[in-house]
Amino acid sequence: EPEVTQTPSHQVTQMGQEVILRCVPISNHLYFYWYRQILGQKVEFLVSFYNNEISEKSEIFDDQFSVERPDGSNFTLKIRSTKLEDSAMYFCASSADRVVSDTQYFGPGTRLTVL
Amino acid sequence: LAKTTQPISMDSYEGQEVNITCSHNNIATNDYITWYQQFPSQGPRFIIQGYKTKVTNEVASLFIPADRKSSTLSLPRVSLSDTAVYYCLVGPTGFQKLVFGTGTRLLVSP
Repeated sequence: EPEVTQTPSHQVTQMGQEVILRCVPISNHLYFYWYRQILGQKVEFLVSFYNNEISEKSEIFDDQFSVERPDGSNFTLKIRSTKLEDSAMYFCASSADRVVSDTQYFGPGTRLTVL
Repeated sequence: LAKTTQPISMDSYEGQEVNITCSHNNIATNDYITWYQQFPSQGPRFIIQGYKTKVTNEVASLFIPADRKSSTLSLPRVSLSDTAVYYCLVGPTGFQKLVFGTGTRLLVSP
């Protein structure tokens, strides 16, 4: 069964450093998302992406965040200058087109620890 | 987006049927009801989705009354591996962000 993959599984960084979280969505999917979950809290939407453009972003997704689909398979989330409060699990998700199915499939997550 | 209310936690034993009810009084006409499951330190996993009446798949059943103001996720004969958080989400289908609540933490004991 196809699945969303994410690397690395765990990233430790110093405050102020840049991090790039990588995701490989399911190959025929067209819509891509990032969510995050701070320990013990809800899963929160960050951004959605379609046709090489951001479709929607939350208040969390400020100028420190960016997303990119650099090639036909990867989807990345970059945090330019990490803060302590960015420590969380970051989940990538993808879905196919609306006609086939809009179910979002999530990756296993990247645990980001900012020291 | 419709607000959802579900129990914070539930306990069960292996082999029992578990029913988790979600209230969504202000569900809109074009809203669907979707349930996700999340194990610790893993991403949410889609379980089932429905609009009205009953939907069944290999994992669960979803019961939706005619007024659609609530829904019940039914897990038949749970096992220890069904211990997880279960989220009820209500919203339109298509390319939409998912809005997660706090979910129901299900603990299955031997």
